[in-house]
Amino acid sequence: EAGVAQSPRYKIIEKRQSVAFWCNPISGHATLYWYQQILGQGPKLLIQFQNNGVVDDSQLPKDRFSAERLKGVDSTLKIQPAKLEDSAVYLCASSLDVYGQAPMNTEAFFGQGTRLTVV
Amino acid sequence: DQQVKQNSPSLSVQEGRISILNCDYTNSMFDYFLWYKKYPAEGPTFLISISSIKDKNEDGRFTVFLNKSAKHLSLHIVPSQPGDSAVYFCAASAANSGYALNFGKGTSLLVTP
Repeated sequence: EAGVAQSPRYKIIEKRQSVAFWCNPISGHATLYWYQQILGQGPKLLIQFQNNGVVDDSQLPKDRFSAERLKGVDSTLKIQPAKLEDSAVYLCASSLDVYGQAPMNTEAFFGQGTRLTVV
Repeated sequence: DQQVKQNSPSLSVQEGRISILNCDYTNSMFDYFLWYKKYPAEGPTFLISISSIKDKNEDGRFTVFLNKSAKHLSLHIVPSQPGDSAVYFCAASAANSGYALNFGKGTSLLVTP
């Protein structure tokens, strides 16, 4: 079974530039998450999709971050304009449809992440 | 507001001995707890989980214990192996928030030969 695919693996941009990350979840997984992991911290949820609808985007800085999941499969996360403090690893994860499931079926599976450096 | 806390940034254990990683949480709505393992330059990998209706779950060398009254859980690795050296993240989730994971800051485990 193929895992969660993310690209690019690394990206270096100047502040005020824009950047986009792509994620392809595990086939059949209805729930998709984007997490931000700053060095020395645990991953922090940015946004959660259920199919192509947004479930939770309360921690997404909407003045500069946007995300979409067209057709309920692939997803993109965009930052425009980037700030120095956006330097982090951006992790995409997916899980089975969390609604109506026992907790044991809700484990999230992560991609390798995109390491973003803003200079 | 850190709802999941791992107060030990690092732990060093000799090969063959027991590794005990600890985690505390503050949100009483959490009903599912997970441990993830992370190697450098890779995403976190699911290791083991426990539901709030249980107090112990075992999978091979890995056992997770949950003490709901103390809002505390721990991961035991017995026996520890050098390949277990990684960063371990404790995470918690709740049904009423779509099971999105709340992570601790992680504990870096080093298993020495």
